[in-house]
Amino acid sequence: AQKITQTQPGMFVQEKEAVTLDCTYDTSDPSYGLFWYKQPSSGEMIFLIYQGSYDQQNATEGRYSLNFQKARKSANLVISASQLGDSAMYFCAMREIGGNNRLAFGKGNQVVVIP
Amino acid sequence: KAGVTQTPRYLIKTRGQQVTLSCSPISGHRSVSWYQQTPGQGLQFLFEYFSETQRNKGNFPGRFSGRQFSNSRSEMNVSTLELGDSALYLCASSLTGTDQETQYFGPGTRLLVL
Repeated sequence: AQKITQTQPGMFVQEKEAVTLDCTYDTSDPSYGLFWYKQPSSGEMIFLIYQGSYDQQNATEGRYSLNFQKARKSANLVISASQLGDSAMYFCAMREIGGNNRLAFGKGNQVVVIP
Repeated sequence: KAGVTQTPRYLIKTRGQQVTLSCSPISGHRSVSWYQQTPGQGLQFLFEYFSETQRNKGNFPGRFSGRQFSNSRSEMNVSTLELGDSALYLCASSLTGTDQETQYFGPGTRLLVL
């Protein structure tokens, strides 16, 4: 069963604007971690931000913030002030704590930032 | 601190051959995980090694194997290559692979099977 769902089609974003990438997840484990990674065309997966299921506040890392709605099982990534270098695939991933150390990834969202 | 490194970066093999990929984790990291990324299946977990022992395994055939050395470097091997093994193979490391640790990925090895 798919645990991470990312359904948005490819997105074009104007430079300097904000973009929100949707991610919903499915788990019965009360303890889990949610991650967002960026994958440019070079292939490397770059860690962006982390949210723990018990964290009281939404995570933020520079221009990245995570809109965590636990009851709705959603963990949307917000990128503020988009830059040309933000053009990439973005992946949402989950790890269920206490299970094993594997990350379950969504299919990804393609973002293209245009000047 | 140097990041995760993977060698080689690109590889072309023919069906039936075998291949070995290498991964050096971030210094001090003892957990190494491997993932396969294909356009059709996305990112799939292969296995995880910690302290030279395979701790977790994904749903892949026995042709896929790996090992970890005492310095935490890891190798994965694919025997009897099939066309469908063409993929980007990503290695990730973390300190101990537990709780809320972040996995940091290397640049990947692109394998093409002809």
